[in-house]
Amino acid sequence: GAGVSQTPSNKVTEKGKYVELRCDPISGHTALYWYRQSLGQGPEFLIYFQGTGAADDSGLPNDRFFAVRPEGSVSTLKIQRTERGDSAVYLCASSQPPGTANTGELFFGEGSRLTVL
Amino acid sequence: GDSVTQMEGPVTLSEEAFLTINCTYTATGYPSLFWYVQYPGEGLQLLLKATKADDKGSNKGFEATYRKETTSFHLEKGSVQVSDSAVYFCARVNSGYSTLTFGKGTMLLVSP
Repeated sequence: GAGVSQTPSNKVTEKGKYVELRCDPISGHTALYWYRQSLGQGPEFLIYFQGTGAADDSGLPNDRFFAVRPEGSVSTLKIQRTERGDSAVYLCASSQPPGTANTGELFFGEGSRLTVL
Repeated sequence: GDSVTQMEGPVTLSEEAFLTINCTYTATGYPSLFWYVQYPGEGLQLLLKATKADDKGSNKGFEATYRKETTSFHLEKGSVQVSDSAVYFCARVNSGYSTLTFGKGTMLLVSP
């Protein structure tokens, strides 16, 4: 497809379990972002990749959260020992590299809704 | 730090009414500013942007002007439609010029 694809669209898990969320960006977009959106809030930045490397991971809330992008395309957000407070919609976005004329023009997927029971 | 403040919703209007959604940002540098929109059941999408002071972004009848003096980027539309019902997010590029900081969003409900 032409857009950003996220899987699964919904994930229900139990407290303490491990979860992986996948993002397939738009082809050719070297920048990839993960955001988290809680109910009634705006997207909150988690991590930004430029190519394969994490250029900015300052938004990851703690060391239970980790993300990879090994080949510079698909990315996986990994959450260990999930807690009820991790319940949110996890958004992935991709874009042209920052510093181009299109800086800030992010293309978002529809999100993965995580519910931790 | 970088932040964006939006008026709280929901904003409830009748069709063809005038819309204003207020947005202010912290004045660290001169960041590019954006409005994103999230229609029901869809992902966020860019609505319009402005990259420098006094720029006006526009799209689909919506407009917003970058006001450096008041650090504001208010969204306006002269005549809203039912199909404009959505959540609107104001955003700014952060001081590192690589990521966005979003406001909390304002829900707009337009009735026929």
